[in-house]
Amino acid sequence: GQNIDQPTEMTATEGAIVQINCTYQTSGFNGLFWYQQHAGEAPTFLSYNVLDGLEEKGRFSSFLSRSKGYSYLLLKELQMKDSASYLCAVRDWLTGGGNKLTFGTGTQLKVEL
Amino acid sequence: DAEITQSPRHKITETGRQVTLACHQTWNHNNMFWYRQDLGHGLRLIHYSYGVQDTNKGEVSDGYSVSRSNTEDLPLTLESAASSQTSVYFCASSESRESSGNEQFFGPGTRLTVL
Repeated sequence: GQNIDQPTEMTATEGAIVQINCTYQTSGFNGLFWYQQHAGEAPTFLSYNVLDGLEEKGRFSSFLSRSKGYSYLLLKELQMKDSASYLCAVRDWLTGGGNKLTFGTGTQLKVEL
Repeated sequence: DAEITQSPRHKITETGRQVTLACHQTWNHNNMFWYRQDLGHGLRLIHYSYGVQDTNKGEVSDGYSVSRSNTEDLPLTLESAASSQTSVYFCASSESRESSGNEQFFGPGTRLTVL
């Protein structure tokens, strides 16, 4: 099976930078996704990494190291609206292929003034 | 615009009753998924489908069933609702190709309470 670990909660200050880590264990890694989920809403896609390195998308960046089973989501210039849960999800060739994802339990980020 | 919808958005039912949650997408996606989300567990996969007449069990499939008679719909049925099935249910869809990101698009969710 797969094991995905993320911190449960984090707190950061408006305007600052925060890094949310995700570690995973899987035999047939085929991509890692980050989703954002505001309270009471559906998850929405943020980023995708399949090769090692950094993917940048505006204020959000995501990094992957396949050899270490490690990813992080970097949020810059934090805004109050960034308060949400951030979900790490892994796609694995060996668990049925396709686009089936296994999700971590999510990191609840609180942005304070 | 293409979208994915779920109905009902809220449902209260009694233990032992059969309940069906609807999911409809207009993306023309082959892949569709059902998840439940509970505090402390995150999103857990119940069933998924890679096309018409294809259905597969996920991590927590006991007590649930799905059918795929067309591309647009994947209804989720709770055969005999139990209090342990009180949860928020999300439907999602994605394209078939595995060579790119092919992120899943999520519906707005259904909050189910089993009394």
